[in-house]
Amino acid sequence: EAQVTQNPRYLITVTGKKLTVTCSQNMNHEYMSWYRQDPGLGLRQIYYSMNVEVTDKGDVPEGYKVSRKEKRNFPLILESPSPNQTSLYFCASSLSVGAMKTQYFGPGTRLLVL
Amino acid sequence: QKEVEQNSGPLSVPEGAIASLNCTYSDRVSQSFFWYRQYSGKSPELIMSIYSNGDKEDGRFTAQLNKASQYVSLLIRDSQPSDSATYLCAVNIDGKEGSTLGRLYFGRGTQLTVWP
Repeated sequence: EAQVTQNPRYLITVTGKKLTVTCSQNMNHEYMSWYRQDPGLGLRQIYYSMNVEVTDKGDVPEGYKVSRKEKRNFPLILESPSPNQTSLYFCASSLSVGAMKTQYFGPGTRLLVL
Repeated sequence: QKEVEQNSGPLSVPEGAIASLNCTYSDRVSQSFFWYRQYSGKSPELIMSIYSNGDKEDGRFTAQLNKASQYVSLLIRDSQPSDSATYLCAVNIDGKEGSTLGRLYFGRGTQLTVWP
């Protein structure tokens, strides 16, 4: 089954404790992206990657890091989480940036930073 | 100026009516336009994409694009209670310094309720 998986789905952590949210897709997609969704602010893009070893900033990259060492995985790293990073996070992928009409979203990761 | 603006809603229509959702975007070289539906607690799912001026129809959904007016809309005909969700407009905008082809901007969404 074609899918985007995220882990963990729910996470409660404390300020400053490094964490990684994993994202994996099994569709051999080139393009992957991370978003955060906050009430009243909608979906905002954090980082995206157009291919292996190619990443770029989205709208709200501050406080986040990403890496794309292999095609299927695109982890989101919070080196020192802060309460303002409490949010719902979505990973998404599509065959290419030109094929965004087939962008698939993962199920989401709900993060609470205390 | 925000990149993508949607009518804030919430929008409430009776079953069988036409629901009209609107979206405007900022003055950039915009490439692609998308409408996503998001049920409460779920991830967004793409329902329509449109790339050139005019109308594009898919079942009960029609997307309309007017690049001169920087306007994209979604019409849902014969609305059903199962259409009750938040609808997100997204625009792939280019034209900033450097390549930004991978950037996707979302509006804040319009919550639609279809009552029986």
